[in-house]
Amino acid sequence: KQEVTQIPAALSVPEGENLVLNCSFTDSAIYNLQWFRQDPGKGLTSLLLIQSSQREQTSGRLNASLDKSSGRSTLYIAASQPGDSATYLCAANNDYKLSFGAGTTVTVRA
Amino acid sequence: DGGITQSPKYLFRKEGQNVTLSCEQNLNHDAMYWYRQDPGQGLRLIYYSQIVNDFQKGDIAEGYSVSREKKESFPLTVTSAQKNPTAFYLCASSPRGQVDYGYTFGSGTRLTVV
Repeated sequence: KQEVTQIPAALSVPEGENLVLNCSFTDSAIYNLQWFRQDPGKGLTSLLLIQSSQREQTSGRLNASLDKSSGRSTLYIAASQPGDSATYLCAANNDYKLSFGAGTTVTVRA
Repeated sequence: DGGITQSPKYLFRKEGQNVTLSCEQNLNHDAMYWYRQDPGQGLRLIYYSQIVNDFQKGDIAEGYSVSREKKESFPLTVTSAQKNPTAFYLCASSPRGQVDYGYTFGSGTRLTVV
C-alpha cells in the first residue's frame, strides 16, 4: 500500500523567501505525482502534475522535481508572497488511485 | 466552464440518519472518486468508479454507499452505520486510463453530526 509523507507539517517564512516542500512515497511504481493547493475550507486546486518519466515540471514561480528511484518529490516556490499561504498536498498515482500526504501548511508573513 | 459541482456546501446529520452528498461533473471524465478529509490527515479514498454502473470500494468504504447511473453524477450516501461521519468530503474526477491528465476536485461538502 502506498504511503505518502510530507515534511515539514508546517512552515512559516517572511515574504520573499523561497519555499521548499518535501514529499516522499514508499511505492515507486507510480504513474505520476500531483501537487495541490488547499485554502481553508476549500477544495483542492491542482498546481503541477509530473509524469513518472519526467524529472521536473515548472509553472511560473513553482517548480516540482521527481526522483522515482528514491521515492521523493520536492515543490519549490520562488519569492514567496502572502497569497501563497495555504496547505500544499502531494498525491501519488498508483493504478489510477491517488494516495495523499497530510500536507504542509505554509504561512508567508508580510 | 467545465468543472465539478458538489452540493450542499454544508450538511448537518442527526444520529441515525442517512444523508446524500451530490457530485456532478461536466468534464466528460469517465472516472470519479470520493475522498474524506479529517484534520491533520491526508485524504482517504472512500469509493471510486471507472465507468458508469460500476464502482469499487476504497480504503474506508464501511458506512458509505454510492451509485453511478450517469457519467456526470456520482452521489455518496453516508449511512447511519458510519460511526464518525463528521468530516470534509471531496469529490474528484479524471479521464479514465489517461495518466497524463491529473485529477480535478470539487469544492467539498462539510458534514457535521448534530
